[in-house]
Amino acid sequence: GAGVSQSPRYKVAKRGQDVALRCDPISGHVSLFWYQQALGQGPEFLTYFQNEAQLDKSGLPSDRFFAERPEGSVSTLKIQRTQQEDSAVYLCASSQYRDEKLFFGSGTQLSVL
Amino acid sequence: DQQVKQNSPSLSVQEGRISILNCDYTNSMFDYFLWYKKYPAEGPTFLISISSIKDKNEDGRFTVFLNKSAKHLSLHIVPSQPGDSAVYFCAASPWPNAGNNRKLIWGLGTSLAVNP
Repeated sequence: GAGVSQSPRYKVAKRGQDVALRCDPISGHVSLFWYQQALGQGPEFLTYFQNEAQLDKSGLPSDRFFAERPEGSVSTLKIQRTQQEDSAVYLCASSQYRDEKLFFGSGTQLSVL
Repeated sequence: DQQVKQNSPSLSVQEGRISILNCDYTNSMFDYFLWYKKYPAEGPTFLISISSIKDKNEDGRFTVFLNKSAKHLSLHIVPSQPGDSAVYFCAASPWPNAGNNRKLIWGLGTSLAVNP
């Protein structure tokens, strides 16, 4: 596809449940980012990949959050034992190498009940 | 502490007039600034950027001005159109080649309404 694709579009989870969010970046984009956007806030950086290497995971809020990009293309953000405060839109973005112009997907809206 | 501040949560402008959105930052290490536009239920879309070596960058109806001494930037949209109604985010980063630090720091956004 032409753009960044994220799935699922919406996810409702019960507190304590594990979830996995998928991101398909633009083909050929080396850099991939995950951001978390709470209601009424700007996006907050979670983690950054360059190809398959996770170069920065300083934004992951706790060890319940884990991201991978094993083949340098598709990425998965996993949240274990979800809590209500994890409710947010999770945005994935990709870019050319060292280009700050990020291309975002439409996000996954996670609601933890 | 917000390093990138957009102090106006909302702005309403008449079609055809100029829209001015403001952004202030506190970190003098920021060297590159971007504006993104976001429609409901969509991800942010890149609009325009400026590096600290410039004080102005123009792209069609959109112009970004940077005042480094005041740590202030603004986005001008002229003329404003109803389709410009969206949330506008200001974001900042160190210069792109600053090692592995690729995180963008975002403001809270300004909701622009352009009235026909």
